[in-house]
Amino acid sequence: SQELEQSPQSLIVQEGKNLTINCTSSKTLYGLYWYKQKYGEGLIFLMMLQKGGEEKSHEKITAKLDEKKQQSSLHITASQPSHAGIYLCGARRGTGGFKTIFGAGTRLFVKA
Amino acid sequence: DADVTQTPRNRITKTGKRIMLECSQTKGHDRMYWYRQDPGLGLRLIYYSFDVKDINKGEISDGYSVSRQAQAKFSLSLESAIPNQTALYFCATSDSGQGMDEQFFGPGTRLTVL
Repeated sequence: SQELEQSPQSLIVQEGKNLTINCTSSKTLYGLYWYKQKYGEGLIFLMMLQKGGEEKSHEKITAKLDEKKQQSSLHITASQPSHAGIYLCGARRGTGGFKTIFGAGTRLFVKA
Repeated sequence: DADVTQTPRNRITKTGKRIMLECSQTKGHDRMYWYRQDPGLGLRLIYYSFDVKDINKGEISDGYSVSRQAQAKFSLSLESAIPNQTALYFCATSDSGQGMDEQFFGPGTRLTVL
């Protein structure tokens, strides 16, 4: 199994609906990133969470970090077709290191 | 202009051929990375470089080699391509001066090995 598990693997929602994507780590989290990837394209940085309980928002996307549960959630409010893509979480490994481990991604489809 | 560029964007080649994928960045970052992405497996690190004189293997370096020609350029070579190297390849950069070492990704190179 992977160090970072994302759920669900894929998600189809009706436009306007809310949704949540989870990222759970099997090891201690020193920081967590969320990226979005349009199908077949590069990764776009969304946000970075460093502290337990931290919550950040970018337009209609909000992410939270629960250090105790070693988990982060990404919530999209009132989804739009432009939100469609693959969402990947990445976790920093080690406080002084550089290495980032990525989850397998969650594929989001938004039906108009 | 994009900060991290990759060439080519798409490549189809045959088994046994030597292939080079190139990455250039204008962000002035010291760290550069090569990843491959396969369906269901996420991104896996192939090689990384902290500066021009520092090259390190990642988790899946077998069958690959790299060259850091300059701070801004990092190329990935497949000496003898095989079909299971068919994947989407990403180059990324980061700045060691930034605490969380956020990575910036190129648009990717889609490689198909027949």
